[in-house]
Formats: sequence, structure tokens, C-alpha cells
Amino acid sequence: EDQVTQSPEALRLQEGESSSLNCSYTVSGLRGLFWYRQDPGKGPEFLFTLYSAGEEKEKERLKATLTKKESFLHITAPKPEDSATYLCAGTMIKAAGNKLTFGGGTRVLVKP
Amino acid sequence: NAGVTQTPKFRILKIGQSMTLQCAQDMNHNYMYWYRQDPGMGLKLIYYSVGAGITDKGEVPNGYNVSRSTTEDFPLRLELAAPSQTSVYFCASSLGQAAGELFFGEGSRLTVL
Repeated sequence: EDQVTQSPEALRLQEGESSSLNCSYTVSGLRGLFWYRQDPGKGPEFLFTLYSAGEEKEKERLKATLTKKESFLHITAPKPEDSATYLCAGTMIKAAGNKLTFGGGTRVLVKP
Repeated sequence: NAGVTQTPKFRILKIGQSMTLQCAQDMNHNYMYWYRQDPGMGLKLIYYSVGAGITDKGEVPNGYNVSRSTTEDFPLRLELAAPSQTSVYFCASSLGQAAGELFFGEGSRLTVL
């Protein structure tokens, strides 16, 4: 069964304290690995897509990387506005309808 | 552009009642999805559609039905509501099979008492 697991479940950071979120997957024949940001009471918002091991994507203070077994979301010098839940999801090569399997998310709180 | 619009935002149902969650998108996307999100859990796919007139089951379809008569609309029907259907429901759309980016609505919070 395809599975996506995120760790830690929650992360409390001081402003400026860099850290990394982990997303491990057992999705067979991974076609793509996706990162989303979700603010309280809102729907997830797309951040990145990674397709192959070694690939990296950056956006402001966020950088996503992909290996053959896991992906990391690095938050460099975070600010309070980076506080959110970060979700990763994978999709199989053979998945009809572009179906995504989501992890449980990591809740990030950045304190000033 | 409004993107993906869901209604209602909040609803309380009694056990055994039925209702429809509405979802509309104005981006001319072919693919549409319904997910549910329970506290501390990831999003679980209920149903999806790859185009008007075509729907298919996701991971957790029991107790739900969908229809897709137009490209824009993808309503989710709950029949005989049960407490286990208490959740936040998200509708999403995407351009096509190769497009990984899903656009989500703001969610509908449903409580079944």
C-alpha cells in the first residue's frame, strides 16, 4: 500500500532558527512528490513538485529536496509568517486521475 | 478568477440526514477531487473526476456519491449522515494528468450529531 509519512508531527522554532521537515514514502513507482502549505481554516496551497532524486526547488526561505526514499523541506532563517502546516504528497506513475497520497503534515510554529 | 469555490463553509447535520456539498471551479480544469481531512491525519481521497460525465472512487468512498454534469461543478452528496462523516471536506481541481499542482477550495466543515 502506498504510504507517505511525515516527521516530526509538530515543530516549534525561534525566528531565525533553521530546520528541516522530513517526508518518507513507499509510493511505488513515484511519479512526483509534492509539497503544500496549509494555513488554519484554509485549503492547502501548492509549493513545489519534485520528480527525480537529486532535484531541488527553492522559494524564498523554503527549499525542497528529493532522494530515492524521502524528501526534505528545509526552512532557512524562518519568520513568524512561515508558521503553517506543511503537507507532502506523492503520486504513482500508474495512478489514474493524478491521485495524490498525502502525509499527515508537520505543524510549524515560528515564534518571534 | 475565484478559483475553487465551496459551499457551505459550515454545516451541522443530524444522524440520518442527507446533504450536498457544492464545488465549482472557473479555471476550466478537467480534473476535480473531493478529499476529507480529519484532525492530525492527511487528506483522504473520496472521489475524483477526470472530466464531465466521468467519476471514480478514491480511498474512502463509502457513504458518499458524486456527479459531474459540467466541467465547472462537482457536487458531493452525503446520504444518511453518520458521526464518522464529521470532518473538513476539500474540493480541488487540476489541469490534467501530468499537472501535479492541485488548486484547493477553502473547505467545508461538517459536523454530524
